[in-house]
Amino acid sequence: AQTVTQSQPEMSVQEAETVTLSCTYDTSESNYYLFWYKQPPSRQMILVIRQEAYKQQNATENRFSVNFQKAAKSFSLKISDSQLGDTAMYFCAFIPTMNYGGSQGNLIFGKGTKLSVKP
Amino acid sequence: EAQVTQNPRYLITVTGKKLTVTCSQNMNHEYMSWYRQDPGLGLRQIYYSMNVEVTDKGDVPEGYKVSRKEKRNFPLILESPSPNQTSLYFCASTPSSGLRNEQFFGPGTRLTVL
Repeated sequence: AQTVTQSQPEMSVQEAETVTLSCTYDTSESNYYLFWYKQPPSRQMILVIRQEAYKQQNATENRFSVNFQKAAKSFSLKISDSQLGDTAMYFCAFIPTMNYGGSQGNLIFGKGTKLSVKP
Repeated sequence: EAQVTQNPRYLITVTGKKLTVTCSQNMNHEYMSWYRQDPGLGLRQIYYSMNVEVTDKGDVPEGYKVSRKEKRNFPLILESPSPNQTSLYFCASTPSSGLRNEQFFGPGTRLTVL
């Protein structure tokens, strides 16, 4: 079975500091996409960053970057210069691309990490 | 404005009373899906649809039905709701040609079954 594990249920960070959220996944597929989603108190799901498994270069989006270690099946999210607006639940998610056009087009989520940014 | 809409946003009902949560997208996306979110469990897929008249089960389909008669709409039907279906529900859509494209999520529907 394919799984996504986020080992940190809750984390906190001081404003302007850097924090890293961890995510590991388990799959036998070689082609897939990985995502980090943010869910603020409004409950809206917002895509933060995506990574294509065949790309070795780590994705970056402004203050957000990932450390993608394919062999270790690890996909951590680094948030630099943390802001109060970063307070949210963060979900790591995975979808195998080979299965997308087949019988299972399933985006698999981790259980989430609740991040609090303190002033 | 490109968006996924869900109705109702909040619903309190009683066990056994059939209900439908509607989902509509205006982006001409082929792929649509339903998720439920429960504390400590993350989001789990209920059903998905690759295109009109094509639907398939996700990880937790028991107690739910869906239909895809039109490309833009993907309603979630609970024929006989039970308290264990109390949850936060999300509808999402994406172009089938673009896994690299993000899944667009609706605003969520908070369902309580008494």
